Amino acid sequence: DSGVTQTPKHLITATGQRVTLRCSPRSGDLSVYWYQQSLDQGLQFLIQYYNGEERAKGNILERFSAQQFPDLHSELNLSSLELGDSALYFCASSPRTGWYNEQFFGPGTRLTVL
Amino acid sequence: QQQVKQSPQSLIVQKGGISIINCAYENTAFDYFPWYQQFPGKGPALLIAIRPDVSEKKEGRFTISFNKSAKQFSLHIMDSQPGDSATYFCAASEDNDMRFGAGTRLTVKP
Repeated sequence: DSGVTQTPKHLITATGQRVTLRCSPRSGDLSVYWYQQSLDQGLQFLIQYYNGEERAKGNILERFSAQQFPDLHSELNLSSLELGDSALYFCASSPRTGWYNEQFFGPGTRLTVL
Repeated sequence: QQQVKQSPQSLIVQKGGISIINCAYENTAFDYFPWYQQFPGKGPALLIAIRPDVSEKKEGRFTISFNKSAKQFSLHIMDSQPGDSATYFCAASEDNDMRFGAGTRLTVKP
């Protein structure tokens, strides 16, 4: 158990809908990272927040957005969902910012778009 | 575009053998090269990582070899065990981005 929690574990929704995925980082970790893992695209970095501020942006679609709240939990919002958005979404956390710091991954949220 | 190419896609090794997974990158700005291990139903976990100022790093049975001029790095698993059966991802990062290889599914047969 990495200490990172993600909810929900599974999510099934329809095309065009909007969903919110939630991540609670390990106690004391200030950085949160979001990743998407799909059969087509593999593992992709989406976005990073550090202490409430956006720090790095990867292959995140404009339909997706994220934020980190004062209590350091983070939410990933996915809107106008398409079939291709079906994937595992992982959150990871680390104590500080910077790729050199080990990231601890949560168990993921499996999103199915029908 | 695929900035990190990983091979092989799958690998079967006998217990006690050496598993070797290779990665090549294109972006010379990458300055951190981690390897992740992922078991079915779990998130990835950092296995070992290297920076480009060293050519090799060893942690237990796991070794990264790094060739900066060739823009290649590899993971060697010595004395492979059935418990090592998992998917392995190489990655490369720079300032604001991290790119992953496509993954290698390793099966270690008893």
